[in-house]
Amino acid sequence: SYVLTQPPSVSVAPGQTARITCGGNNIGSKSVHWYQQKPGQAPVLVVYDDSDRPSGIPERFSGSNSGNTATLTISRVEAGDEADYYCQVWDSSSDHQKVVFGGGTKLTVL
Amino acid sequence: QVQLQESGPGLVKPSETLSLTCTVSGGSISSYYWSWIRQPPGKGLEWIGYIYYSGSTNYNPSLKSRVTISVDTSKNQFSLKLSSVTAADTAVYYCARGLFFPAYYMDVWGKGTTVTVSS
Repeated sequence: SYVLTQPPSVSVAPGQTARITCGGNNIGSKSVHWYQQKPGQAPVLVVYDDSDRPSGIPERFSGSNSGNTATLTISRVEAGDEADYYCQVWDSSSDHQKVVFGGGTKLTVL
Repeated sequence: QVQLQESGPGLVKPSETLSLTCTVSGGSISSYYWSWIRQPPGKGLEWIGYIYYSGSTNYNPSLKSRVTISVDTSKNQFSLKLSSVTAADTAVYYCARGLFFPAYYMDVWGKGTTVTVSS
C-alpha cells in the first residue's frame, strides 16, 4: 500500500520559515492535504488539494507538491504554530482505495 | 457552521464491541462522506472508514473485518461499530466530514472521544 514519510520533528525560530515535507512515490500525481493538530485538540485542515487554504487559515500557510515530495510551508512562524502536522492522500492506486496519513511531524518553535 | 459531536462509552471490555455515534449539527448529513479516524495515545492518525449519506461504505482494509459504519439521515447521525476489541483499539476516536474535491479530504472534525479497552 501507499506510504507517506514525514520527518518526526522540525524546529524553527519565531519569524522564520518552516518547511515540513511529505514523501511518497510519485506523490506529485496525487492531491495532498495537510492537517494541524495542537495538543489535546482535534486536527484542523490547513491546506487541501496541494496548495489551497480553507477559509480562516492564514496566508502564512502554503503548500506545494512535485515529484516525490510535497511540502507544507509556514512563513513568519509564530509560537501558536507549534503543533503536529500530518499530510494525507487518497490512495486509489491499489485494489482498495483508502485514506493514507503520514506519520506526522512535530513543529517546535524555539 | 457545521459541528460534529462524538458520543459513546469511554470504557469497553476486551472482546466486546465498541459503539460510537457522531451527531451532525448546523448542516445536513446529505451530499458528504462521513469518516471515522482514530489516534492511539502518543501516536498518529489512522483512518477507519467512511459512509456516504446514501449508505455506501469504504473501510480501511486493516480493520474491515471488524468495522461497521451506518448512517441515520433522519437523525443527522452516523455510527461506528468495532467488534472484538483489544487493548490495541484504545484511542481517541474522531468523526469528520469528508468530500472528494478532487481527492478525498476531511474539512470538519469533531473534538474526539477517548475510548479505553480494559477489563
